[in-house]
Amino acid sequence: QSVLTQPPSVSAAPGQRVTISCSGSSSNIGNNFVSWYQQFPGAAPKLLIFENDKRPSGIPDRFTGSKSGTSAALGITGLQTGDEADYYCGTWDNSLSAVVFGGGTKLTVL
Amino acid sequence: EVQLVESGGGLVKPGGSLRLSCLASGFTFNRYSMNWVRQAPGKGLEWVSSISGSSNFIYYGDSLKGRITTSRDTAKNSLYLQMDSLRPDDTAVYYCARGSSLGTYTPDYWGQGTLVTVSS
Repeated sequence: QSVLTQPPSVSAAPGQRVTISCSGSSSNIGNNFVSWYQQFPGAAPKLLIFENDKRPSGIPDRFTGSKSGTSAALGITGLQTGDEADYYCGTWDNSLSAVVFGGGTKLTVL
Repeated sequence: EVQLVESGGGLVKPGGSLRLSCLASGFTFNRYSMNWVRQAPGKGLEWVSSISGSSNFIYYGDSLKGRITTSRDTAKNSLYLQMDSLRPDDTAVYYCARGSSLGTYTPDYWGQGTLVTVSS
């Protein structure tokens, strides 16, 4: 059971938009920055979003992050088949003194 | 360019030990916290341990607490994970990940991972 809650899977058609949610509490998302990671099968996770809504260099602006209260979200617009991957949210938890991750969301582009 | 290269994984029998290493380059190593994160086959990411840049603060996840020791060597730009009393459910890819530039432990850059298989 992950500390952060994500939907196990989401799907949408090419060109459409999808949102992946990440729900936590005041000890984690509520008081810390959230990051999002993209992971392809057999590969290491890659940072997509940091500090809730910032993109590292090289990440297209089709990927956006947001946070409100104890929840965060990753939005992906103009979906491409190459976006099919697992997506994880992560942050620090002040009560656990631990990095916590969501259980991951598998994105399928139909 | 930030690079993190893990090594030391392999096949070990239950009850055995392994020491993982992570060689860092492309950034000032002692200015960043570092993490170990693992991923069992077909499962999600599981945080294992974090260590501050100065090694003053070290945190462990419950799954491996008491069986692991995290350390770092600034002179060698290296992070280590000593794992003892390994169990079959410790089988996973172990990733080394840098803490973010804001000084928090939340990872930004990740290594390619090293596979640890615990089996008789």
